Amino acid sequence: DAGVTQSPTHLIKTRGQHVTLRCSPISGHKSVSWYQQVLGQGPQFIFQYYEKEERGRGNFPDRFSARQFPNYSSELNVNALLLGDSALYLCASSSRRHIQETQYFGPGTRLLVL
Amino acid sequence: EDQVTQSPEALRLQEGESSSLNCSYTVSGLRGLFWYRQDPGKGPEFLFTLYSAGEEKEKERLKATLTKKESFLHITAPKPEDSATYLCAVHDFTGGGNKLTFGTGTQLKVEL
Repeated sequence: DAGVTQSPTHLIKTRGQHVTLRCSPISGHKSVSWYQQVLGQGPQFIFQYYEKEERGRGNFPDRFSARQFPNYSSELNVNALLLGDSALYLCASSSRRHIQETQYFGPGTRLLVL
Repeated sequence: EDQVTQSPEALRLQEGESSSLNCSYTVSGLRGLFWYRQDPGKGPEFLFTLYSAGEEKEKERLKATLTKKESFLHITAPKPEDSATYLCAVHDFTGGGNKLTFGTGTQLKVEL
């Protein structure tokens, strides 16, 4: 079975631009979470979506938004990019929304903002 | 707010030299402690989930244990391919959903 997939793998943008990152969860998984990982740090939670609804939100500005589609894939959108948004963006899926569920991560999208 | 602290930040071992990584945590109510392995530029790879004090899990050269305050990842007779960053995380109720709060990781280097 395929794991979590993310696209694109790498992306270079300039300040002020907008970016859309995509994630496909493991087949059968209905929950998708997004994390931001800055170099040298652990991942930081951005959002969780389950059954197309937002179920959790981390301490990120409103420039960050996401949505989940009927096939459970998800998009993360970031507006008005700042240099500090440069990071590895990770998507994780789990089979249910329950907090005990193990999350499986994708390979990430490396975003560089110039 | 839940907190996770990992030590040491970096560890260099000779092949075959066993050691332990530490993860101490402060949570309002533990709903699961997770260990992941992360290679440079890649996503975290799931290793273990522990739910209650006294629980232990093993996988090849790795063994994870859990107490009420901390977790240990024991590495027995490591090989160079075990070199990676090991991340510890706990479920955090703040913010809703199934948010994981991660430590900053222990960067392990195993040399021949």
